[in-house]
Amino acid sequence: ETGVTQTPRHLVMGMTNKKSLKCEQHLGHNAMYWYKQSAKKPLELMFVYNFKEQTENNSVPSRFSPECPNSSHLFLHLHTLQPEDSALYLCASSQAGLVSIYEQYFGPGTRLTVT
Amino acid sequence: AQSVTQLGSHVSVSEGALVLLRCNYSSSVPPYLFWYVQYPNQGLQLLLKYTTGATLVKGINGFEAEFKKSETSFHLTKPSAHMSDAAEYFCAVKTGANSKLTFGKGITLSVRP
Repeated sequence: ETGVTQTPRHLVMGMTNKKSLKCEQHLGHNAMYWYKQSAKKPLELMFVYNFKEQTENNSVPSRFSPECPNSSHLFLHLHTLQPEDSALYLCASSQAGLVSIYEQYFGPGTRLTVT
Repeated sequence: AQSVTQLGSHVSVSEGALVLLRCNYSSSVPPYLFWYVQYPNQGLQLLLKYTTGATLVKGINGFEAEFKKSETSFHLTKPSAHMSDAAEYFCAVKTGANSKLTFGKGITLSVRP
């Protein structure tokens, strides 16, 4: 595997289900991100992890729970979601540190539908 | 605060025609600017970036963009569109080590045969 991978690619879940999204980066990066992409809206940054530590939570509802066990893996645990949470969830990674210009590399996303 | 404006949601060009996708930014400090492309059912891929130095930057697939500080713009161009350029394009800005990457809402490019 190369780059950033995400599983599953598609997920349909009911509002009472619990599911998890997985992201893995094979680039040796130490920062990882979750974004939400809804139709015709700018990408919304949800969470940022630097060196496994959460450094940003962009006012995300608690029904979304991230987990970063190491610099290569990032999870997004989902429970009691709402239909408006249906979207494409993108994971990204980059180098972290004082140099701010490192670009982010994105995975293909998980298309989530909440019924 | 930083922000990005991409006017319009859709641009359609003929194959072989000039592609021009507009991006204006707002930033209180010198920005770092990016263009990403998203093909259907895929994640975002970096096309090009401006950090410092030369204001005309060249990217992949024949795209280039010019940073114009006086106009707070970073428009993306390609001299001759190809059918494979049909995708969604996002402009993004970053302003420092502790700032997040802020995206515009994106613009869909269609290429007519």
